[in-house]
Amino acid sequence: AQKITQTQPGMFVQEKEAVTLDCTYDTSDPSYGLFWYKQPSSGEMIFLIYQGSYDQQNATEGRYSLNFQKARKSANLVISASQLGDSAMYFCAMREGGIQGAQKLVFGQGTRLTINP
Amino acid sequence: KAGVTQTPRYLIKTRGQQVTLSCSPISGHRSVSWYQQTPGQGLQFLFEYFSETQRNKGNFPGRFSGRQFSNSRSEMNVSTLELGDSALYLCASSWGTWTSGGQETQYFGPGTRLLVL
Repeated sequence: AQKITQTQPGMFVQEKEAVTLDCTYDTSDPSYGLFWYKQPSSGEMIFLIYQGSYDQQNATEGRYSLNFQKARKSANLVISASQLGDSAMYFCAMREGGIQGAQKLVFGQGTRLTINP
Repeated sequence: KAGVTQTPRYLIKTRGQQVTLSCSPISGHRSVSWYQQTPGQGLQFLFEYFSETQRNKGNFPGRFSGRQFSNSRSEMNVSTLELGDSALYLCASSWGTWTSGGQETQYFGPGTRLLVL
């Protein structure tokens, strides 16, 4: 069963505007982490921001912030003042608890963001 | 600090052949994970190695295998290649020691693009 859902296959935004990329997740594990990655056309996945299930505040990293609504199981990425270089695929991913230290990310299908000048 | 490196970057093989991909993690990282990315299936977790032991495994056939060396470098092997194995193979490294509620980010390499003819 798919555990990460990104409902926006593509988004087009004007430069300098803010943009919100949606992500909902499904898990019964009380301990989990949520990640956002950016993938330019070159293919490399670039880490943007992290939100832990026990974090009381929404995460922020520069122009990136995460709108974490735990009860609704959503973790939307907000990019403020978008730039042309933000054009890329964006992936939401989740790491559940399980074996401590073990790494396994489950990814959503991604959202292709295009910034127009 | 050098990032995650993967070799080769591009590879063309024919059906039935086997292939070995290599990944060198960030210095100090002991966890190496492998992911397959295809247009149809998206990003899927293959397996994770930590201190030379496979610690986590995705849902892939036994043709996909891996190993990790004492210096944390990892190799992934695919035997009897099929057309459907054409994909971008991404390697990610991390400390591999997160505890409940803790952040630990996986850092990805540039990937190896495999084309099976």
